[in-house]
Amino acid sequence: LAKTTQPISMDSYEGQEVNITCSHNNIATNDYITWYQQFPSQGPRFIIQGYKTKVTNEVASLFIPADRKSSTLSLPRVSLSDTAVYYCLVGAYSGYSTLTFGKGTMLLVSP
Amino acid sequence: DAGVIQSPRHEVTEMGQEVTLRCKPISGHNSLFWYRQTMMRGLELLIYFNNNVPIDDSGMPEDRFSAKMPNASFSTLKIQPSEPRDSAVYFCASSAARDPDTQYFGPGTRLTVL
Repeated sequence: LAKTTQPISMDSYEGQEVNITCSHNNIATNDYITWYQQFPSQGPRFIIQGYKTKVTNEVASLFIPADRKSSTLSLPRVSLSDTAVYYCLVGAYSGYSTLTFGKGTMLLVSP
Repeated sequence: DAGVIQSPRHEVTEMGQEVTLRCKPISGHNSLFWYRQTMMRGLELLIYFNNNVPIDDSGMPEDRFSAKMPNASFSTLKIQPSEPRDSAVYFCASSAARDPDTQYFGPGTRLTVL
């Protein structure tokens, strides 16, 4: 499984755009990049998934450069409720899926 | 859809006692995962079932831990005997065959072993 590296924590203010970058230098050809969000006292929640270029949904955007060795989760205009831990995961679907969660990035949004 | 259901939500027990955690996956999902989360170790995968069959139990810490999935709508994680170091939040998650990388997590069971 490809190992991921992301910052332990980030601070931001309401209304700002937040970009969290994840490094995955050993990503394999079949691997997808998936991001989860975890609020305190809750289980992780799927945010977004991509393979290359850019993916956007109602929650976030995911930017993946051509070499796929990193990815950036972009949260537009964060609010206090976006305070959470964000996990970057890399894995491949091969009939069975197991994803390895690292320590994630603790995002703290202040007023 | 009710989502993944776990019970109990909180469990406090004494060292040496047997603990059973329960999980009902989302209807129609064919994969089920048990995770453990602590401050020190983060979120760890304990065991993974596919179509009710255990596929990967390499994360189960030791023989005191066991998991079963007798049918597609129910799974248990048992700890016998429990130890204080087992104190953690245990999450169950499920995913569908058509989208295996999207795991839906339950609310978790917070276990405290005294």
